Amino acid sequence: QVQLVQSGAEVRKPGASVKISCRASGYSFTSHYMHWVRQAPGQGLEWMGVINPSGGSTSYAQKFQGRVTLTRGTSTSTVYMELSGLRSEDTAVYYCARAQAPYNWNYQFDFWGQGTLVTVSS
Amino acid sequence: DIQMTQSPSSLSASVGDRVTITCQASQDISEYLNWYQQKPGKAPNLLIYDASNLQSGVTSRFSGSGSGTDFTFTISSLQPEDIATYYCQQYDHLPPTFGGGTKVEI
Repeated sequence: QVQLVQSGAEVRKPGASVKISCRASGYSFTSHYMHWVRQAPGQGLEWMGVINPSGGSTSYAQKFQGRVTLTRGTSTSTVYMELSGLRSEDTAVYYCARAQAPYNWNYQFDFWGQGTLVTVSS
Repeated sequence: DIQMTQSPSSLSASVGDRVTITCQASQDISEYLNWYQQKPGKAPNLLIYDASNLQSGVTSRFSGSGSGTDFTFTISSLQPEDIATYYCQQYDHLPPTFGGGTKVEI
């Protein structure tokens, strides 16, 4: 069965960086693009970006351009999201989410990781 | 970015009631709209894709309709396990954007 397992909660100071992992199993890792979506406490959902695990190409929301980097490790079926220049407003749960349709820039998210809470506080 | 406006932001209904949630896009998005359910402390779950297609494994109590700028999500007969927050999401124009959510209570 498809599973996305994310790394554990993180606490960072303002200005620092954080890198979260999302390990995929139960399907062909390189066939489905992987998205990242975040949710601030008590707030809605916000799309951050997407990576093609096959070639490594990425697309980011303009809001996060220059601060977010998505990478992948094909040998470990893992996608990484690094966010730099953290500020208090970045406190949120960060989710990886698989694109439903394979081999294209699909924006229907059919499987999600369990979420990783990132707390930014001095 | 396209703005997605959901209404109501919350509602209370009884078991067995028909529940309807609306989602309005700030511009035409054709049928590029998905609906998700999120229970407290959990990740969202895809229910409806492309405005009206029921995701595999999802109960047929859920349905979606609409095109252009106006969309509707319906629970035909509310059950206790449907207590959650529901989000619409457009993906016609990047970045994909979500509505503010509708919290459904009994």
